[in-house]
Amino acid sequence: NAGVTQTPKFQVLKTGQSMTLQCAQDMNHNSMYWYRQDPGMGLRLIYYSASEGTTDKGEVPNGYNVSRLNKREFSLRLESAAPSQTSVYFCASSLQGSNTEAFFGQGTRLTVV
Amino acid sequence: KNEVEQSPQNLTAQEGEFITINCSYSVGISALHWLQQHPGGGIVSLFMLSSGKKKHGRLIATINIQEKHSSLHITASHPRDSAVYICAVNGGPGGSNYKLTFGKGTLLTVNP
Repeated sequence: NAGVTQTPKFQVLKTGQSMTLQCAQDMNHNSMYWYRQDPGMGLRLIYYSASEGTTDKGEVPNGYNVSRLNKREFSLRLESAAPSQTSVYFCASSLQGSNTEAFFGQGTRLTVV
Repeated sequence: KNEVEQSPQNLTAQEGEFITINCSYSVGISALHWLQQHPGGGIVSLFMLSSGKKKHGRLIATINIQEKHSSLHITASHPRDSAVYICAVNGGPGGSNYKLTFGKGTLLTVNP
């Protein structure tokens, strides 16, 4: 059982380039999330999708867009990368609602130069 | 927004020692999560609890809802337990059940 799969694992971008981080889950979860993790800070929510067909902004959405392609897949796009977006990105999913366990991907380490 | 504080920030132990990591939060919650992250690795869910105590192998998690406090204990610690342990909470007044607020993590190093 793969769980939550993120690609790529590592990426280096030049300032201004665009890229899409892919995330897929095979647990039939309704809710999916994108977080970023920076040194000295807790994970921060970028965007989430409570269910297929819906997306909402989280704590730090600026500079990002998302697409909930179907129930399995939730992608994160950087249209014009900036050095401030250098971070480790985690995708996660949960069944839905409250009191449900969150499952995380392996992370994508992104460097913008 | 809920404030989540973990202590200690860093912890070094000798193999076999009993470990305790603490988590406090400021606003009532519906559930609390303990997560584990190995260096350069992904994040794994260890526990989700809303009351009482849960045990899995050498790991024990407790929560006191009235005191807004949770602890993660590791018995007979081993070098493979070396990781960052993260506390996260969801729910609470004004907070969506779909979102988690995370602590900054506790870096545990267990020496052989």
